[in-house]
Amino acid sequence: GAGVSQSPSNKVTEKGKDVELRCDPISGHTALYWYRQSLGQGLEFLIYFQGNSAPDKSGLPSDRFSAERTGGSVSTLTIQRTQQEDSAVYLCASSLARGSYEQYFGPGTRLTVT
Amino acid sequence: GENVEQHPSTLSVQEGDSAVIKCTYSDSASNYFPWYKQELGKRPQLIIDIRSNVGEKKDQRIAVTLNKTAKHFSLHITETQPEDSAVYFCAASDFGNEKLTFGTGTRLTIIP
Repeated sequence: GAGVSQSPSNKVTEKGKDVELRCDPISGHTALYWYRQSLGQGLEFLIYFQGNSAPDKSGLPSDRFSAERTGGSVSTLTIQRTQQEDSAVYLCASSLARGSYEQYFGPGTRLTVT
Repeated sequence: GENVEQHPSTLSVQEGDSAVIKCTYSDSASNYFPWYKQELGKRPQLIIDIRSNVGEKKDQRIAVTLNKTAKHFSLHITETQPEDSAVYFCAASDFGNEKLTFGTGTRLTIIP
């Protein structure tokens, strides 16, 4: 079946512009996660959605970052007024249900802020 | 919150030898410990995981051990092959949280 998909695969934007990154989780997966991976670094947790519960936003680095998940499926991560330090690969992952735990990652969106 | 430390950051081993990567965690409530493999330019993929009710789990050439008292867990790869070259991440979470905290990764290089 189809895995987690993300779009765009690459995004180059000018400092100060807003960007939207999209994630399509595996069908039926109720949990969705966003991570950030800077070059050669680990995975930094950003936000977590589980079903209809309020999202865990504890990893968002600033109020310029926000995310939503519509209809319990597709998610959009928005970065406002982008800064050069926002340059990274943004990874989305989904898992089947609470207690399942294996996270399936998407291919990521490489964001470059010039 | 949870803090996961991973060592070493880089590891080179001769093909056929064993590789060991170690992680420590801080939150005693954590009870789920997965390992992910990320090949160059690809997405992370789960290779093995362990829950706190067991001390060791094996899957062919890969094994993970867990010491809850010491709060550390390790990945063991035996008879290493060139395709084992990748970055490996450990992680920890507790059942009530489900948010994985990842280690900083180990770049493993298998020398032919």
